[in-house]
Amino acid sequence: QVQVVQSGAEVKKPGASVKVSCTASGYIFTDYVIHWVRQAPGQRLEWMGWIKVGNDDTKYSQKFQGRVTITRDTSASTAYMDLTSLTSEDTAVYYCAREKLGAYWFDPWGQGTLVTVSS
Amino acid sequence: QSALTQPPSVSGSPGQSVTISCTGTSSDVGNYNRVCWYQQPPGTAPKLMVYDVSNRPSGVPDRFSGSKSGNTASLTISGLQAEDEADYYCSSYTRSSTYVFGTGTKVTVL
Repeated sequence: QVQVVQSGAEVKKPGASVKVSCTASGYIFTDYVIHWVRQAPGQRLEWMGWIKVGNDDTKYSQKFQGRVTITRDTSASTAYMDLTSLTSEDTAVYYCAREKLGAYWFDPWGQGTLVTVSS
Repeated sequence: QSALTQPPSVSGSPGQSVTISCTGTSSDVGNYNRVCWYQQPPGTAPKLMVYDVSNRPSGVPDRFSGSKSGNTASLTISGLQAEDEADYYCSSYTRSSTYVFGTGTKVTVL
């Protein structure tokens, strides 16, 4: 059964960083792309970036360029999203999602990780 | 990259059809047949409903259909059912090798 499972909720102070993990199972991890998407409370989905697991290539949304880093550990079938210089505007549910290389759609999605930024 | 434009809400009675539009630009929707639709019931992760404009993944009812004309894509739900009540988001691949989502549409079954 294909699934991606994310790490648990986080509470961070303004200025801090957060690292969210996404562990895959049921498929060949290196054949796929992992995307990160966030959703602030009551707001729309917002694409943040992707990593091609096989060759470690990455691409980020201009909005997050310089603040987000997506990495992967193929031995652990896990991808990570690191977001720095957090503000209250970064309070959101962060999702990872799988894309078969060259498919252009996301399926499945992780369950989401709530990151709360509060002093 | 600006969000794709969707109507905030649409509604219909059970059995009726509703259509959600998704308007982009020639840099995304208009230039690629890489438009997807995701369903998101409250408090849950999004679920893929349509990919590549009009294709349905296995398990998605054929009541859901997609199309595209120019810079605007559409999702039609025929024979509306109570379980279809959710938020729906379109997404598109873009010329910058990135992705953009729509503003989201709340579907209400009356």
